[in-house]
Parts: sequence; structure tokens; C-alpha cells
Amino acid sequence: KAGVTQTPRYLIKTRGQQVTLSCSPISGHRSVSWYQQTPGQGLQFLFEYFSETQRNKGNFPGRFSGRQFSNSRSEMNVSTLELGDSALYLCASRPTPNQPQHFGDGTRLSIL
Amino acid sequence: GENVEQHPSTLSVQEGDSAVIKCTYSDSASNYFPWYKQELGKRPQLIIDIRSNVGEKKDQRIAVTLNKTAKHFSLHITETQPEDSAVYFCAASSPPDKLIFGTGTRLQVFP
Repeated sequence: KAGVTQTPRYLIKTRGQQVTLSCSPISGHRSVSWYQQTPGQGLQFLFEYFSETQRNKGNFPGRFSGRQFSNSRSEMNVSTLELGDSALYLCASRPTPNQPQHFGDGTRLSIL
Repeated sequence: GENVEQHPSTLSVQEGDSAVIKCTYSDSASNYFPWYKQELGKRPQLIIDIRSNVGEKKDQRIAVTLNKTAKHFSLHITETQPEDSAVYFCAASSPPDKLIFGTGTRLQVFP
């Protein structure tokens, strides 16, 4: 079975731009969660989608948004990028919300 | 809000020694506690997990213990090997199934 796939692996953007990251979950997994990982803050929960509905949300500003498609693939969008948004963005999938999560390799976003 | 504290932030041990990482959670409704290992430049990998109806779980050299009363859980690694060197994250699941992570422990195992 293929693992969680995130694209692109690396991105460089400038302040004020917007960005869209993509996550394809493991086949059969309907829940997708997004995390921001930085050296100082660890893994911070952004949001979780299950069956195309946002099920959980972390404490991030409205510039961070997401969605999930009918095939369970998910996208995360960040608008009006700030320097502090530089981080590794990880996606994790699981069959249903009460089961273990499996992570992708992440997208490393750098803001100049 | 929900919070998970993890200690220590760094841990150095000699090969063959044991390592213990401790976490405390704030939400008494938390019912699922996974541990992840993240090697440099790689994705976090689930290494063991425990649910709140169990006090201890073991998988070869790795064990996790849970004390619901104290809201405390720990990871124990015995007979450490250099390949155990990584960052370890604990997490607690707050209803509805939101995973809150600790800040990580960098484990270094010296040969």
C-alpha cells in the first residue's frame, strides 16, 4: 500500500503570496489531518477533515484553510504569507478518526 | 485549552542503558496516547500507542505506561541502540480525537 503522499516537497515563496499544499492519504483512509512543525513549537495541529467535512480545528488564524475532496485527497491553503509561516507542514491520514495516524514526508515551506 | 508537557527535552544515554521519557496531559477526557519517532529529515513514525483502558503495553524493547489518575504516561526503551537515536514525540487525543503533541525529546545513544 502506498503511504501518505505530499506535494510539493519543497516550496519557496515571498511574503504576501499564497500557497496551496496537497496531501493524498493512504488508500481507504478517510481522515486527513494537517500539522505545522517548527523547531521551537514542535507539532502544532492545524485541522482535520473527515468525509469532506472539517471535524477539528487548531488555534491558527483564518489565513490557514483547508478542504477535502470526495476521493479523500486534501489541500491546505495559506494566504498572505508571513515570515513566521516558514515550517515543515505535515499531513497524516487514518481510516477513521479514532485510529492511529500515519504521516507523510511533509512539505517544507520557506518564506523569503 | 488542551496541553501536553514532555520531559526531558534532550536525553543522552550509553548504548545498552534504558531511556525514559515522560509526558503529562491536561484533558482528563483524553483516551488515546501514541508515541512517534522522528529521525532527522524523515516523517514521524508511530512506534507504540496505548488506550485509556490499559495501564501498560509492551512491544519488544519498547513499553508505555499510563497513569490516568495522575494524567501521566511514559515511554520506556530498554537495551538502547545507536539506531534508537531520534526525536520522540508523545501525544494525547482530546475528544473528538484531536491529537495534541508534546514538544519532543531528542534521544542520543552513544556507542
